Amino acid sequence: QKEVEQNSGPLSVPEGAIASLNCTYSDRGSQSFFWYRQYSGKSPELIMFIYSNGDKEDGRFTAQLNKASQYVSLLIRDSQPSDSATYLCAGQGAQKLVFGQGTRLTINP
Amino acid sequence: DVKVTQSSRYLVKRTGEKVFLECVQDMDHENMFWYRQDPGLGLRLIYFSYDVKMKEKGDIPEGYSVSREKKERFSLILESASTNQTSMYLCASSPSRAVNQPQHFGDGTRLSIL
Repeated sequence: QKEVEQNSGPLSVPEGAIASLNCTYSDRGSQSFFWYRQYSGKSPELIMFIYSNGDKEDGRFTAQLNKASQYVSLLIRDSQPSDSATYLCAGQGAQKLVFGQGTRLTINP
Repeated sequence: DVKVTQSSRYLVKRTGEKVFLECVQDMDHENMFWYRQDPGLGLRLIYFSYDVKMKEKGDIPEGYSVSREKKERFSLILESASTNQTSMYLCASSPSRAVNQPQHFGDGTRLSIL
């Protein structure tokens, strides 16, 4: 069983809509979670991190964490074509980050 | 801003060669990591280091070694390159082993082994 799982997509969302990206994890000991954005051919770029249950907002991005259900999500409001990328979810394990496979998001103009 | 610099963006080597990939960070981070990323397989951790001269095996260390002689520099070594080591290699660093410490990535090295 993969420790961090994401739907690989592709997820297609119209411009201006809300994009919802989800991630589940199996290690209940994970305390922190990170969302990275990766454009094609580029390296991952940190968008947000969250470690408390509930929501954390930063501009158009909202991260949500539910430790009881072991899921993390990222909402992107007012989606723009520039948001088209692969989004990686990562959980903080005992010694290292554990990454999901990533979800490919396409925003359609 | 954190700056993680990888020595080459693109590299072409031949089978059997010894290959060195260099990574330098300028934020006095304690932790450094080497990943490879392949289509359909995601990011896979090769080796990491929490301190100078310390190293830990990641998920796929076979065929690789690392060196960390100075805090800011972490080198990945392919002892005898093989075609299945053709990949995108990513270096990352993070401040410490405390929780809530994100990793910051370099631009990556796309390595081709012919």
